[in-house]
Amino acid sequence: DAGITQSPRHKVTETGTPVTLRCHQTENHRYMYWYRQDPGHGLRLIHYSYGVKDTDKGEVSDGYSVSRSKTEDFLLTLESATSSQTSVYFCAISESEENNEQFFGPGTRLTVL
Amino acid sequence: GQNIDQPTEMTATEGAIVQINCTYQTSGFNGLFWYQQHAGEAPTFLSYNVLDGLEEKGRFSSFLSRSKGYSYLLLKELQMKDSASYLCAALDSNYQLIWGAGTKLIIKP
Repeated sequence: DAGITQSPRHKVTETGTPVTLRCHQTENHRYMYWYRQDPGHGLRLIHYSYGVKDTDKGEVSDGYSVSRSKTEDFLLTLESATSSQTSVYFCAISESEENNEQFFGPGTRLTVL
Repeated sequence: GQNIDQPTEMTATEGAIVQINCTYQTSGFNGLFWYQQHAGEAPTFLSYNVLDGLEEKGRFSSFLSRSKGYSYLLLKELQMKDSASYLCAALDSNYQLIWGAGTKLIIKP
């Protein structure tokens, strides 16, 4: 299994509070992704990174920001959490863009009250 | 727009064969992935097709027709542990994965 961890695994927070989710990999893969998964929807890309300090927006980036200061860490921040951001968040990594077989972390279940 | 369609839910019997279909419309195409996701767990890679035809891997096979924008995942000799959601995803011209909502497969004894 690819070495990917996410922290925290579960979080309950209140509307308006900032939240940071962490993804850590030990595979030295160049590409890292943050997705959210909601019932009835496919995985939706929030942001992705193609190298240290190189990030770009995905399909549902509003209300989220990311940072990647080291190859192994990719942080997702909700500046001011809203109830619509209640979801399961998955981090994924891939070695190449062309093949793009992605390996997923275990997920973080976030509840915003 | 970009779209992936797959059935929401399917039911099959242990020991039988089931085919899960997926149609896609994307801006450009660089391959088709299938992932398996057990409830409460992360998706795991099953197969990747970029050329037309059938790829067989043990009990699982995946087929692609680029001209029809169509793929299927074939599961043989179904086991109870195959109860899961199966996610179809197409790689578009920007090498981004476009995901279907998943097909929940229920296996009955």
